Amino acid sequence: GAGVSQSPSNKVTEKGKDVELRCDPISGHTALYWYRQSLGQGLEFLIYFQGNSAPDKSGLPSDRFSAERTGGSVSTLTIQRTQQEDSAVYLCASNIGRTGGYTFGSGTRLTVV
Amino acid sequence: QQQVKQSPQSLIVQKGGISIINCAYENTAFDYFPWYQQFPGKGPALLIAIRPDVSEKKEGRFTISFNKSAKQFSLHIMDSQPGDSATYFCAAATETSGSRLTFGEGTQLTVNP
Repeated sequence: GAGVSQSPSNKVTEKGKDVELRCDPISGHTALYWYRQSLGQGLEFLIYFQGNSAPDKSGLPSDRFSAERTGGSVSTLTIQRTQQEDSAVYLCASNIGRTGGYTFGSGTRLTVV
Repeated sequence: QQQVKQSPQSLIVQKGGISIINCAYENTAFDYFPWYQQFPGKGPALLIAIRPDVSEKKEGRFTISFNKSAKQFSLHIMDSQPGDSATYFCAAATETSGSRLTFGEGTQLTVNP
């Protein structure tokens, strides 16, 4: 596609439920990143996929968070047993390789009530 | 050593004035320094970037100044306009090793008409 597409744009869920956030990167981009942005805060790195290499999961805050990338394209971020502190905007970005700037999607705003 | 520190947290400038946002880093291996602009409800968008082989890069009203010895870089917005009101993030990465971007905390810029 023309840009990075994320869905849903907004998600309200009850505490304790699982959620799945989807990212569709720009076609041909081999690198895919997930970041989290809490209200008025900076961007917190979560996970990074580069081609067929093992993902860099060093930013995942707990084992309730996981992500996969199927066929080197679409990625899904899963949060199990959501907590109120998980409320944030989850941003996905892609890049054509290891250099240069990222292209971000508009994010998924997750609210845990 | 991976931190990037950004200041100020917020900035108010009159239309036509110069907006200056500063960032400092510790990791001397960083070799790519982009700035991102984020409007409410949108993902960050790449604005301008610099590599350490130059001390300044200008694109229109936006200029990055880079001081390698001080490990600092800054964004200058000349003739600031109300449409420039947004949150600005600096970032850094080590491209040669394919590292992910580390972001500053962000600066909320308001340009008054």
